[in-house]
Amino acid sequence: IAGITQAPTSQILAAGRRMTLRCTQDMRHNAMYWYRQDLGLGLRLIHYSNTAGTTGKGEVPDGYSVSRANTDDFPLTLASAVPSQTSVYFCASSPSRMNTEAFFGQGTRLTVV
Amino acid sequence: DQQVKQNSPSLSVQEGRISILNCDYTNSMFDYFLWYKKYPAEGPTFLISISSIKDKNEDGRFTVFLNKSAKHLSLHIVPSQPGDSAVYFCAAISSGNTGKLIFGQGTTLQVKP
Repeated sequence: IAGITQAPTSQILAAGRRMTLRCTQDMRHNAMYWYRQDLGLGLRLIHYSNTAGTTGKGEVPDGYSVSRANTDDFPLTLASAVPSQTSVYFCASSPSRMNTEAFFGQGTRLTVV
Repeated sequence: DQQVKQNSPSLSVQEGRISILNCDYTNSMFDYFLWYKKYPAEGPTFLISISSIKDKNEDGRFTVFLNKSAKHLSLHIVPSQPGDSAVYFCAAISSGNTGKLIFGQGTTLQVKP
């Protein structure tokens, strides 16, 4: 049972490059989320999707885009990476936006140099 | 604009004693509150939640208290164990709105043997 899987686990990226962080879940959850974790700031919501085909902006959406073509996949794209996007990124899913429990992936550590 | 705030970055308690982690929120539309636990190099895992129609929810050693008038909630761990040492995140969601799951900054708990 995989649950929710993120790839890659870590990446060093040159500034200005494009990067897509992958997230896949096999729980058939409707809602999915992308967060970034930074010291002293906790987990900040980047983008979310309540169901396949819909997405919404979170607290810190600038510089990121997402798509939700199907239930299982929720990729996060950095069109042109900047050093301030150095962070640990977590993908999460929950059965519905009404549900209280979200399941998290193991995280992607991204360093932009 | 931090809608969910954990003002104590860290807390240290002795094994067997009570740990109390606090959380404040500003958005009166939040109607579910959750606590997550995070170990290093892992994704957060769900711990306990409470609906805004309740003022207490208990699950084993963990109890969450909600004071709606003060927009404050707390997590009590009794008795604390060394394995409880982790970062604890408070989170809130407004089910009647967009479904954004918003987290606080986190509190690092250290339980000393």
